[in-house]
Amino acid sequence: GEDVEQSLFLSVREGDSSVINCTYTDSSSTYLYWYKQEPGAGLQLLTYIFSNMDMKQDQRLTVLLNKKDKHLSLRIADTQTGDSAIYFCAETHQAGTALIFGKGTTLSVSS
Amino acid sequence: KAGVTQTPRYLIKTRGQQVTLSCSPISGHRSVSWYQQTPGQGLQFLFEYFSETQRNKGNFPGRFSGRQFSNSRSEMNVSTLELGDSALYLCASSLGVGGGPNTEAFFGQGTRLTVV
Repeated sequence: GEDVEQSLFLSVREGDSSVINCTYTDSSSTYLYWYKQEPGAGLQLLTYIFSNMDMKQDQRLTVLLNKKDKHLSLRIADTQTGDSAIYFCAETHQAGTALIFGKGTTLSVSS
Repeated sequence: KAGVTQTPRYLIKTRGQQVTLSCSPISGHRSVSWYQQTPGQGLQFLFEYFSETQRNKGNFPGRFSGRQFSNSRSEMNVSTLELGDSALYLCASSLGVGGGPNTEAFFGQGTRLTVV
């Protein structure tokens, strides 16, 4: 079956790098996404990676994909207090756009 | 460009009642998906519509239904509400279907439904 797992909490200091990890079980996943949710808000798409890529960089964000281990990570460089939020990993398949989400990682950034 | 608009933002209903939630996608987007978010179950896929046709349905009882209109606006309906239906209902729109570029899902702010 399909399953996406994430650690629940991460606490870092402002200026440090944050690394949020995610594992998935479905090898037929085609695209993997990272979404950010701030309190009282919907989901904001941060970045995505195609399953045949190993890495994608977008400003402070770096996504690493290890397809063999079905492991996805999101690195946020120079983490700021405004990065405090819940981060969701999600996968989808070629057949449709239905997203399978992890339970989310709460990132807490202290100054 | 306006984002995904969901109405209402907040709703309180009584057990046994029915409710209709509305979603207006980003202009030009033809795919609309609905998700339920609860503290216990997280984000769960409800259904997906493209060009007025339901393409995918999640594992929810028949009390949950939806539809999409010719202008791509979508509604979801929950009948015979139960306490466990209390959740944040999120709508997402995308240009097309299939995953990947041009099919990224953009979410609205959600409708917070409380069933008492």
